Amino acid sequence: EAGVTQFPSHSVIEKGQTVTLRCDPISGHDNLYWYRRVMGKEIKFLLHFVKESKQDESGMPNNRFLAERTGGTYSTLKVQPAELEDSGVYFCASSQAGRAPYGYTFGSGTRLTVV
Amino acid sequence: AQSVTQPDIHITVSEGASLELRCNYSYGATPYLFWYVQSPGQGLQLLLKYFSGDTLVQGIKGFEAEFKRSQSSFNLRKPSVHWSDAAEYFCAVGAQGNTGKLIFGQGTTLQVKP
Repeated sequence: EAGVTQFPSHSVIEKGQTVTLRCDPISGHDNLYWYRRVMGKEIKFLLHFVKESKQDESGMPNNRFLAERTGGTYSTLKVQPAELEDSGVYFCASSQAGRAPYGYTFGSGTRLTVV
Repeated sequence: AQSVTQPDIHITVSEGASLELRCNYSYGATPYLFWYVQSPGQGLQLLLKYFSGDTLVQGIKGFEAEFKRSQSSFNLRKPSVHWSDAAEYFCAVGAQGNTGKLIFGQGTTLQVKP
């Protein structure tokens, strides 16, 4: 089966611009998670979707971040406007319904650099 | 609050030598514990996990980890390291409530000398 796919793999944008990251989970996986790793620190949870609903968005840093999951399929994470401290690697993961956290599959991540 | 500590940021070992990566956690109940590895350009790959039962857990690529409740530790070991094991290793604990949320340590970068 195809894995979790993230687009783009790298993005370099200027401070104040908008960037949209995309995650395509494994087909049929209801759970979708976003994580972020900033400047060599620990990987931190951002939010969790179950199908199209936000189950937990306690890790979203501020209102410049907007996550959506259209029709319970792919998800986007928009940063608007981007700030320097948003630079880092953004990971997406998915798992089947009822199996979290046992069946996590991570994508390769999107490396975001804000200059 | 739950937390995970990986005391070693970088470790260098010679190929063929044994390896132990340390992980300590803070958690009130019996934790769900994980080790992930990230090779350059790759996503996070699950090496092994502990939920209950036998405290010595076998994983992929010849890795094992031992859960020690008294020490709040879940150290990762491998008896003989291969050059391909050079990567970054992350210890994680499942958050309370079994929501699927993971709390990660800061990671340990492993360098393997020929």
